[in-house]
Amino acid sequence: SQTIHQWPATLVQPVGSPLSLECTVEGTSNPNLYWYRQAAGRGLQLLFYSVGIGQISSEVPQNLSASRPQDRQFILSSKKLLLSDSGFYLCAWSHDRAADTQYFGPGTRLTVL
Amino acid sequence: AQSVSQHNHHVILSEAASLELGCNYSYGGTVNLFWYVQYPGQHLQLLLKYFSGDPLVKGIKGFEAEFIKSKFSFNLRKPSVQWSDTAEYFCAVNAKGSSASKIIFGSGTRLSIRP
Repeated sequence: SQTIHQWPATLVQPVGSPLSLECTVEGTSNPNLYWYRQAAGRGLQLLFYSVGIGQISSEVPQNLSASRPQDRQFILSSKKLLLSDSGFYLCAWSHDRAADTQYFGPGTRLTVL
Repeated sequence: AQSVSQHNHHVILSEAASLELGCNYSYGGTVNLFWYVQYPGQHLQLLLKYFSGDPLVKGIKGFEAEFIKSKFSFNLRKPSVQWSDTAEYFCAVNAKGSSASKIIFGSGTRLSIRP
């Protein structure tokens, strides 16, 4: 069966520090991968998605970036965090190119102080 | 660009009451539609989805949703809610075509059920 992992589960970082959140999927190949940010009252904001290694589509221009160095690994990064980057970050995957059911990870709670 | 609107931010009902949560999307082409649910302390999970065919879709735990193309709506319903339905509900849309891999979520509706 497929599983999705995210780490760390929680993170507290100072403003201006770098960020690296990791997401990995097991039990499937060539998944679509997604990064979302969930904020209270604002739902899930799609940040990035990827349909293959090295292929990243950005939905929201900001100081975050994403990379997909391996088929089942998706990384969310920042060189310098802002206070506004605080939030709950969710990774998700779905089968192949046609968007289908998304399976979500447990999320990372990021607090920028 | 596609977007999703959920007009009810917080709904409070008593057990056994009927539920309808609104969802409207904006996109002129063909869409796939989803409802996801997030129970307290749990991962987001799929409740039901519509891809094609019968516009009345049945999901888990007695939920159903009806796709009304003319109204760009995909409202979620349940005839009799239970306390365990307390959760946050998200509507989502995927536009078939060039952005086939992109799924846009609404802002969510928090449902609280009084026992």
